[in-house]
Amino acid sequence: GEDVEQSLFLSVREGDSSVINCTYTDSSSTYLYWYKQEPGAGLQLLTYIFSNMDMKQDQRLTVLLNKKDKHLSLRIADTQTGDSAIYFCADISGGSYIPTFGRGTSLIVHP
Amino acid sequence: KAGVTQTPRYLIKTRGQQVTLSCSPISGHRSVSWYQQTPGQGLQFLFEYFSETQRNKGNFPGRFSGRQFSNSRSEMNVSTLELGDSALYLCASSMGGGEGEAFFGQGTRLTVV
Repeated sequence: GEDVEQSLFLSVREGDSSVINCTYTDSSSTYLYWYKQEPGAGLQLLTYIFSNMDMKQDQRLTVLLNKKDKHLSLRIADTQTGDSAIYFCADISGGSYIPTFGRGTSLIVHP
Repeated sequence: KAGVTQTPRYLIKTRGQQVTLSCSPISGHRSVSWYQQTPGQGLQFLFEYFSETQRNKGNFPGRFSGRQFSNSRSEMNVSTLELGDSALYLCASSMGGGEGEAFFGQGTRLTVV
């Protein structure tokens, strides 16, 4: 990947849906990932999507990929306080072994 | 299946000292990558080892080095520590085939005083 951009903060109310957005520049990205980092912990892989897919759903998580606009989003349904964390978007391009990470979006869930 | 293990979890060192961090990858994984995470710079890639060879390298000075052993365990060394080296150092392991699905350890929190 070349460059991955994310907004730094998102605040939502418990029970609402959260949508975290990410844009990337590498048109040859093959895989795109969402990681979650809780305080004091490493990154946990949440889900990933192949570049030939438009959408992937996994329980409360929905990933949408718009290849034309190089835009990736993660929707969390029924957001809970336990979802409060930093969410990282990452991509990897063909022939590379190293994902490029965004700066992370800090999700704050309040009652 | 055990996850990625990093030791130690916390470390305090003095400027000018050197430090060695250790990472044990998931069994069967041959690739180990190291990242430095700071509030100001985010997650920055240091280097990646695959089958005991450094395969990729980020833009860090030569004070940062690493190695990988035949059992895929990896160590990272930082010499002549500077205050700016204070960070969370994360290790990630993967199969190494380019699919990029990496699994991270808890990290080592290094504080340089």
